[in-house]
Amino acid sequence: GDSVTQMEGPVTLSEEAFLTINCTYTATGYPSLFWYVQYPGEGLQLLLKATKADDKGSNKGFEATYRKETTSFHLEKGSVQVSDSAVYFCALRYGGATNKLIFGTGTLLAVQP
Amino acid sequence: EAGVAQSPRYKIIEKRQSVAFWCNPISGHATLYWYQQILGQGPKLLIQFQNNGVVDDSQLPKDRFSAERLKGVDSTLKIQPAKLEDSAVYLCASSAGTGANTGELFFGEGSRLTVL
Repeated sequence: GDSVTQMEGPVTLSEEAFLTINCTYTATGYPSLFWYVQYPGEGLQLLLKATKADDKGSNKGFEATYRKETTSFHLEKGSVQVSDSAVYFCALRYGGATNKLIFGTGTLLAVQP
Repeated sequence: EAGVAQSPRYKIIEKRQSVAFWCNPISGHATLYWYQQILGQGPKLLIQFQNNGVVDDSQLPKDRFSAERLKGVDSTLKIQPAKLEDSAVYLCASSAGTGANTGELFFGEGSRLTVL
């Protein structure tokens, strides 16, 4: 069945470091791909998305490109801040034009000043 | 705009007891979801409602879990009897209805259940 695999954490970085969180997927057809973020004490919220191959989603300095050839959707940010400390979830939407999401296991990012 | 409200935030029960969680979605959102998030895993969909009808409950353990959304607004998820493996965070989410399948779900803060 469809699935999402993302790198295990925690990922610990110093402020202004470059961030990559890897995400790969297995799916039939062409799913839409998402990154959700969960800040401490808050609910999950959508960070960015891409709906077709070669699309680039971006928000708050984060970017991810939908790579069909490598079935990947890696999250990147050029310079992380302490406020980026959170759990990041990669997800795909399956089942046609619905909002049913399959999530990865999440990656904890800790940014130190 | 008020977000998705869930209660209680925390609940501790003994196995074989029952528990209920409540969710009030964002006003006007037709679709409501319950997810289960076990420690170290990603959220897993339990049930999806469109208004007051069930769209998908294929992963809901129906021998012990039940959910309802009687008036198409708020929803209750019940577990009876609880097992140790039900210890998890239960997340409620909502999204706008038909024609807005953007993949954006709005999540509540979750209800953390510990079964002893």
